[in-house]
Amino acid sequence: AQSVTQLDSQVPVFEEAPVELRCNYSSSVSVYLFWYVQYPNQGLQLLLKYLSGSTLVKGINGFEAEFNKSQTSFHLRKPSVHISDTAEYFCAVSRGGYNKLIFGAGTRLAVHP
Amino acid sequence: NAGVMQNPRHLVRRRGQEARLRCSPMKGHSHVYWYRQLPEEGLKFMVYLQKENIIDESGMPKERFSAEFPKEGPSILRIQQVVRGDSAAYFCASSHLDSPDEAFFGQGTRLTVV
Repeated sequence: AQSVTQLDSQVPVFEEAPVELRCNYSSSVSVYLFWYVQYPNQGLQLLLKYLSGSTLVKGINGFEAEFNKSQTSFHLRKPSVHISDTAEYFCAVSRGGYNKLIFGAGTRLAVHP
Repeated sequence: NAGVMQNPRHLVRRRGQEARLRCSPMKGHSHVYWYRQLPEEGLKFMVYLQKENIIDESGMPKERFSAEFPKEGPSILRIQQVVRGDSAAYFCASSHLDSPDEAFFGQGTRLTVV
C-alpha cells in the first residue's frame, strides 16, 4: 500500500523568500507523483506531476519539484513566493492505470508581507 | 470548455435526511472519481466510475453511501440517512480515457449535517 507524508502542516514565510514544502512517500511499486494547490473554498488545481523522465519537474506559477527515488521524496519549491501563493498544498501519489490518488494531509503555506 | 461542474456548492441536511451530490465531468471525459475531505484532513478516495460501471469502490463506506454514473447525465453520490460525521467537502474529479493519470477537480460540494 502507498502512503504520503507531508512533513510540515504549516509553513509561514515572508513574501519574496524561497520556500520548500516537503513530501515523502512509501510504495513497493513505481508511482506517479503530483502536487495540487487548494485555495480557500475552492477545488484542487494541479501544480505539477511526475510520471517518468527528468526528475526535475516544472509546474505552473513558478513552482518546481524534484523526484528523488532513493529518498522517496518529491519536495515542492519556489524561489520567491507571493502573497497570492497563500493556500493549502497537497502531495499525492498514484500507481498509474487510473487516477486513484493517495493524498498527504496537506501543508498550509502562509505568505506574509 | 467548462471544467468539472459540481452542484450544489453547499448543502445543508438534517440528520436522517438524504443528500444527493451531482458531478458533471469535463466534456469528453468518461472517468469520474469521488473524494471526501474531512475538516483539517487531506482528500480520501471514495469511488471510481466509468459510464454505467463502478470500477473501484474500495473507499466507500459500506452502508448508506452509493454512487452512479449513468449513460446520460451527471454522476451522483448519494448519502442516505446522513449523520453529523458525514459533514465534509466532497470533490469530484474527471479524466479522459487517453489520460487516466491526470484528473481535473471540481470545486466541491460542502455538506453540513445539522
